[in-house]
This record gives sequence, C-alpha cells and structure tokens, in this order.
Amino acid sequence: GAVVSQHPSRVICKSGTSVKIECRSLDFQATTMFWYRQFPKKSLMLMATSNEGSKATYEQGVEKDKFLINHASLTLSTLTVTSAHPEDSSFYICSAKFSGTDTQYFGPGTRLTVL
Amino acid sequence: QKEVEQNSGPLSVPEGAIASLNCTYSDRGSQSFFWYRQYSGKSPELIMFIYSNGDKEDGRFTAQLNKASQYVSLLIRDSQPSDSATYLCAVNMRNSSASKIIFGSGTRLSIRP
Repeated sequence: GAVVSQHPSRVICKSGTSVKIECRSLDFQATTMFWYRQFPKKSLMLMATSNEGSKATYEQGVEKDKFLINHASLTLSTLTVTSAHPEDSSFYICSAKFSGTDTQYFGPGTRLTVL
Repeated sequence: QKEVEQNSGPLSVPEGAIASLNCTYSDRGSQSFFWYRQYSGKSPELIMFIYSNGDKEDGRFTAQLNKASQYVSLLIRDSQPSDSATYLCAVNMRNSSASKIIFGSGTRLSIRP
C-alpha cells in the first residue's frame, strides 16, 4: 500500500519551455502532497506543501510564479516549471500523506535537464 | 544550528556487523521521527518511523528515540552490501499552520564485503 507515482521519470527540455510533472497517489487519498528538489549529493529541499483544493504553501526562496502547483484532486498534484532554465535542472520528487498520519510516501522522482 | 543534523559520513562497516546511524534535532516539540533510505539516483524509501521514547524493532532495523536528549538513531544488524545507501533522518516540525518534515543531509553508509 501507499504507492506514489510520478510522470515523467525523466525529461529533457530546451531553455524557456515549461515542463509539467504529475504526482499521483495510487492506492490512497492524499490530503497533502509535498514537492521537493534535490541537487546532486545534496539533501532534499522542500519546495512547497500542497493541500487538495487550496493554494500551495511555498517555502522561503521558492518562486511561486515559476513553480506552479495544482492539487485538483485527492490523488493528483502537478508541478509546472515555467520558463525553465539550466539552473532548474534537478531531481524533483513528490511525496504524499493521508489524513491522520505524518508519514510521507515518496514518488520515484523526475529528473529534469534543461539545455 | 541545523534543525536536523546527521554525520555525512561515509560510514564504512564490514558485512555482518552492526551499523549505527545517528541524528539530532533542534525542535523539542517534535513528535514524529522517520528514517528513509535513498539509493543513488533514486527517491527516498521509508524504513521506519518512531513516535515514542525507546526502541522500535523491524527485522534487522532498530530505531531508538530519546526525546530528552533530542536524539534518534538507526541500528542495522547483520549489515549487507545492499544496505549501502544514504540514510536520511527526518523529523516532523510543527508550526502554527502546518506540519512538515525536515530532512537531515543524510549519512552515506558503505558496507564492505
């Protein structure tokens, strides 16, 4: 149980384009989803917390107009990297939790490369 | 002071020995503590969570929590080469609006055959 999927697993795009990453909870309803970014050999950095049906809460230093998060249902959240630049190249990982627990279950991650 | 601190390692342990991973945290109000394993290029995988002081065992893994000392550890018995990975300690921080998990920077563990 508690399976989270992400799509795509890997994406390469040109500078200036936008990229959408999907995060789905497959066997549970995720009241809250989280988006993280991880640079090589660095720890996970929380970007934003997303609750179903409400606006995402962004961490300090994360541009909400650049990283658009939508959590339209209890099983799907999306992260759109707008006008991507090479410095946005990173490993983006989502996690999800269900009501009544603090445990987060992670998706497999999406590796974004911006040329 | 970092909110969640771990020794970055690498920690090298011979196969079959006990690996001991340590973590300290700053928020005395924290209630939930997690250990995740992350293989290179992969996302974190939950190993264990612990809420109460003392030990919690699951197979070869034992989590230990001491809230008075703000210390949580993970013991891996009978270490296997497949245990070689980065281990992330995570602590649930509670603020006025939401709870979120803060991750340590991770300890790289290497099990040598």
